[in-house]
Amino acid sequence: AQSVAQPEDQVNVAEGNPLTVKCTYSVSGNPYLFWYVQYPNRGLQFLLKYITGDNLVKGSYGFEAEFNKSQTSFHLKKPSALVSDSALYFCAVREGGGYQKVTFGTGTKLQVIP
Amino acid sequence: DGGITQSPKYLFRKEGQNVTLSCEQNLNHDAMYWYRQDPGQGLRLIYYSQIVNDFQKGDIAEGYSVSREKKESFPLTVTSAQKNPTAFYLCASLETGELFFGEGSRLTVL
Repeated sequence: AQSVAQPEDQVNVAEGNPLTVKCTYSVSGNPYLFWYVQYPNRGLQFLLKYITGDNLVKGSYGFEAEFNKSQTSFHLKKPSALVSDSALYFCAVREGGGYQKVTFGTGTKLQVIP
Repeated sequence: DGGITQSPKYLFRKEGQNVTLSCEQNLNHDAMYWYRQDPGQGLRLIYYSQIVNDFQKGDIAEGYSVSREKKESFPLTVTSAQKNPTAFYLCASLETGELFFGEGSRLTVL
């Protein structure tokens, strides 16, 4: 069965500092990996995805993520955090091929401190 | 504008009552999903459908039912058999690997 782990319930970072939100995954085949962001009482918004190709993926709002196959990780990063980045972040995985089941992690709350 | 529309946004239900949450999409996507969100537990998959007239149970399907009679619609019924139905419910559709979410429906059982 596929699964996603987000080991940190909350990450605090000062505005202007780099941020990292961690994600590890488990699938039996090739992974499709995603990051989403959620603001209070709203649906999720897509940030970026890795399907194949370059291990460093760039997405919306200056976010990027690095796929590491040997460590089965897909950490989300941003060089300089903004207060407006404060939100709940979810990592998700889908097995490649015809499988359409998408599994999410438990989420990491990012707090950017002014 | 294209997107996912969920209704109602807020819903209150008495114990023992069934309730149906609506999810409509005009994105022409084949695959649709229902997730349940609880604090500290992230999103858990209830049901998903890859095509019309077909759907599969997710990780927490007990106490829920769905139908997929039309491509645009994927309603979720929360039955009285669901022991802890109070939650935030999210519907989504899938295209080229990306999920598109609705704004959610918050169900409270009184």
